[in-house]
Amino acid sequence: EVQLVESGGGLVQPGGSLRLSCAASGFTFSSHWMHWVRQVPGKGLVWVSRINSDGSSSSYADSVKGRFTISRDNAKNTLYLQMNSLRAEDTAVYCCVVSGNFRFDYWGQGTLVTVSS
Amino acid sequence: QSALTQPASVSGSPGQSITISCTGTSSDVGGYNYVAWYQQHPGKAPKLMIYEVSNRPSGVSNRFSGSKSGNTASLTISGLQAEDEADYYCSSYTSSSTWVFGGGTKLTVL
Repeated sequence: EVQLVESGGGLVQPGGSLRLSCAASGFTFSSHWMHWVRQVPGKGLVWVSRINSDGSSSSYADSVKGRFTISRDNAKNTLYLQMNSLRAEDTAVYCCVVSGNFRFDYWGQGTLVTVSS
Repeated sequence: QSALTQPASVSGSPGQSITISCTGTSSDVGGYNYVAWYQQHPGKAPKLMIYEVSNRPSGVSNRFSGSKSGNTASLTISGLQAEDEADYYCSSYTSSSTWVFGGGTKLTVL
C-alpha cells in the first residue's frame, strides 16, 4: 500500500522559512517523479513543484519560483520542500504526490502551513 | 500559469448523466493529451479518476469517462450515484514543463 506522510508544517511569520518532509513507502520511491501540491482549506488545488526520479531536474510554479526548493533523498525515501521568504498567500495544506505519466497517482493527507504574524 | 476554467457547480439526479468542462489553452489542454481528472470528498485526499484524457485507472467505475475537443476537456459521469457527490478537478501538463489545475467543480446529487 502506498503511504505518503507529510510533516514539518506549522505557524511561521511572514518572511520566515519552513522545511516540509514527505516520508514515502509502499512503492519504489527512486523510480517516480514526485510533486508538491497545495490547497487552501475550502479552495482549489494548486500545483507547486515537481522533481524527477533521481533529483537532477525540477520545475516550479511562478508563484514560488526563487523562494521554494524541492529535493529528495532516495536512500531515505523522503521528499522535501524548502520554503523561504514565506508570504501570507503561501498559507495552505501542502500535499506530496506520487506521479505516474504526467498524472498524480497517489496523494498524502498533507501538512498545514500558516504564514501569519 | 492561469488556472483551467471549470464551472463552479453542477448538479443532477440519481441515474442521470452530467458533464463537467475544463477549458484551457493551446499551451496546456489543447497541446497535450495529459489531461487528468480527480475526485475529492470533504476532508479526503484527491483520487485519480481519469488520466491521459480518457483512460480510467484500475478500480474506477466505467460510469466515469473523459474526452477532449480542442482546448476543452470534459468529464462525464453517467448513472449518477449519491457517492459521486464531491469536488472534481481537472489538471493538465503545460508547455512550460509545469502543471495546472482547474478551479474545481462541486457536484451535487439531488
